[in-house]
Amino acid sequence: DIQMTQSPSSLSASVGDRVTITCRASQTVSNFLNWYQQKPGKAPKLLIYGASSLQTGVPSRFSGSASGTDFTLTISSLQPEDSGSYLCQQSYSIPYTFGQGTNLQIK
Amino acid sequence: EMQLVESGGDLVQPGRSLRLSCAASGFTLGDYALAWFRQAPGRGLEWVGFIRIKAYGGTTEYAASVKGRFTISRDDSKSIAYLQMNNLKTDDTAVYYCTRGFCNGGSCYTNNWFDPWGQGTLVTVSS
Repeated sequence: DIQMTQSPSSLSASVGDRVTITCRASQTVSNFLNWYQQKPGKAPKLLIYGASSLQTGVPSRFSGSASGTDFTLTISSLQPEDSGSYLCQQSYSIPYTFGQGTNLQIK
Repeated sequence: EMQLVESGGDLVQPGRSLRLSCAASGFTLGDYALAWFRQAPGRGLEWVGFIRIKAYGGTTEYAASVKGRFTISRDDSKSIAYLQMNNLKTDDTAVYYCTRGFCNGGSCYTNNWFDPWGQGTLVTVSS
């Protein structure tokens, strides 16, 4: 199975900050990498698919990029509603696997 | 509004069976793959399996941990998908989510993404 490792596991940032979350795959996943946001007790919400495509309806402050097996989710200007857990997921091969998540808190 | 609603979660004893349902609205279920994921308490998300559209045989794929015990099916005429879970184990305790699958290529082996997700239904396996 492909292992996905996210960093950091948690972070705290202020409104307006630029935030970056990284996900590293244990082997190539091409650009088949998705990002989700999950709030406590709620279902995941798709933010980015195919490493850099913004899902319809997701604010443009969210963006994704890729470099080899390293993937980055960037929030350009953090908003209060962006608190929650962020998860990366590879869809390169079955079984699809997730990173362990990054918990984002707003200071 | 595109929506998925799961139901059927319950407390069951190890070795018993349970069937979850996933009702779709706001879109044509038959045009999409349908996947199930689960999240054990305090744990990460785990892919359970998915079912392809009828045009690709309606075939299924499963995680090794559930293969041979779980079966995904679909009734597109009713816009409902199912997850039949047999021989349940305590490790199957989790919130189960269904989600619409976008397959870039009908075979759905690779390059998929999932949206929207249902609210989840809790399955507790305990004696």
